Amino acid sequence: GIQVEQSPPDLILQEGANSTLRCNFSDSVNNLQWFHQNPWGQLINLFYIPSGTKQNGRLSATTVATERYSLLYISSSQTTDSGVYFCAVVEGADGLTFGKGTHLIIQP
Amino acid sequence: KAGVTQTPRYLIKTRGQQVTLSCSPISGHRSVSWYQQTPGQGLQFLFEYFSETQRNKGNFPGRFSGRQFSNSRSEMNVSTLELGDSALYLCASSSGTSYGYTFGSGTRLTVV
Repeated sequence: GIQVEQSPPDLILQEGANSTLRCNFSDSVNNLQWFHQNPWGQLINLFYIPSGTKQNGRLSATTVATERYSLLYISSSQTTDSGVYFCAVVEGADGLTFGKGTHLIIQP
Repeated sequence: KAGVTQTPRYLIKTRGQQVTLSCSPISGHRSVSWYQQTPGQGLQFLFEYFSETQRNKGNFPGRFSGRQFSNSRSEMNVSTLELGDSALYLCASSSGTSYGYTFGSGTRLTVV
């Protein structure tokens, strides 16, 4: 099956810093999403982005499908950005395959 | 627009028992998929239903089963519970695999 690798696994930043999270995948996909898991466990959808670039406030994402990677950018980090960020893809008709996540801690 | 609703939020069961979890998708979504999250294995795909048919299944034993009703609501059942089944179970709804998935708040199952 498809492999999804996220980096870095852990990231500690000061409030106000910018960060880039990376997701590499091993095969062509027809769906790629970024999620933020809140402390209560819910996965919050950030972007549906199988290709191209999208922006939503301080967050933006870019997927280069031909090179099999996606990047999530967080600018001017806030403590509420802390949590685990997951990249997930769909290959063919299968369900979502998740990476192991990036655990982000924003310190005040 | 109502989101994805999972019930119950928390469950404590004893080894050997069975459990049924419920998921109501976003209105109009016909695809419901289930995922198990554990600290050791991360997020893993269990199965996906579309229009009452199981479309595909992850690598889980037959003790894990599910179904989808005509109103798109889905249930998953785990029989003969083991300690290792303790996990957060998440349900997602979608219009199809080429569209975004929206997750519910999850059911946290503890097996004692």
